[in-house]
Amino acid sequence: KQEVTQIPAALSVPEGENLVLNCSFTDSAIYNLQWFRQDPGKGLTSLLLIQSSQREQTSGRLNASLDKSSGRSTLYIAASQPGDSATYLCAVRWNDMRFGAGTRLTVKP
Amino acid sequence: NAGVTQTPKFRVLKTGQSMTLLCAQDMNHEYMYWYRQDPGMGLRLIHYSVGEGTTAKGEVPDGYNVSRLKKQNFLLGLESAAPSQTSVYFCASWEGGAGELFFGEGSRLTVL
Repeated sequence: KQEVTQIPAALSVPEGENLVLNCSFTDSAIYNLQWFRQDPGKGLTSLLLIQSSQREQTSGRLNASLDKSSGRSTLYIAASQPGDSATYLCAVRWNDMRFGAGTRLTVKP
Repeated sequence: NAGVTQTPKFRVLKTGQSMTLLCAQDMNHEYMYWYRQDPGMGLRLIHYSVGEGTTAKGEVPDGYNVSRLKKQNFLLGLESAAPSQTSVYFCASWEGGAGELFFGEGSRLTVL
């Protein structure tokens, strides 16, 4: 069964800290992997999209890596800010797209 | 630059009532999806469409029907609403290939 898991479910860090969010998936035959941000009561905003042939993608303070062989992706956030507080979702595309349950991040001032 | 638009954004139904959620995208995407999001369970795929006139079942299709009569629109119907269908519903579209998945803002449905 194709499943996506995100651990931890919640994370709280002080402002300025660098942090890593984890995503694991069960079947390495993926097309791509996408990281999203979701603010309370809002829709999902795409952060980074990594194709199966890529190892990482970067956007500003965000860096996402992909290791298909181990079924893992990480989202690295540098110099975290209170505005980064949100839920971060990992989604993996096989024939359709499956989502992890998300990691709720709180960055404390 | 509307992207993916969902209507309505909020709705309260009584058990047994019917309703339709509308999703419209202006990006000429072939693929469209309906997900539901429940606390602690992430997003689960209800139904999807790979092009105009096509629909297919996802993980949790029971109690829902869909139609894709026009390429830009994907409708999600509840024929007889149940409290278990209380959720936030998200529509998404995808151009295919290496493209991103784009989401609407969500529709919050409460069934009493």
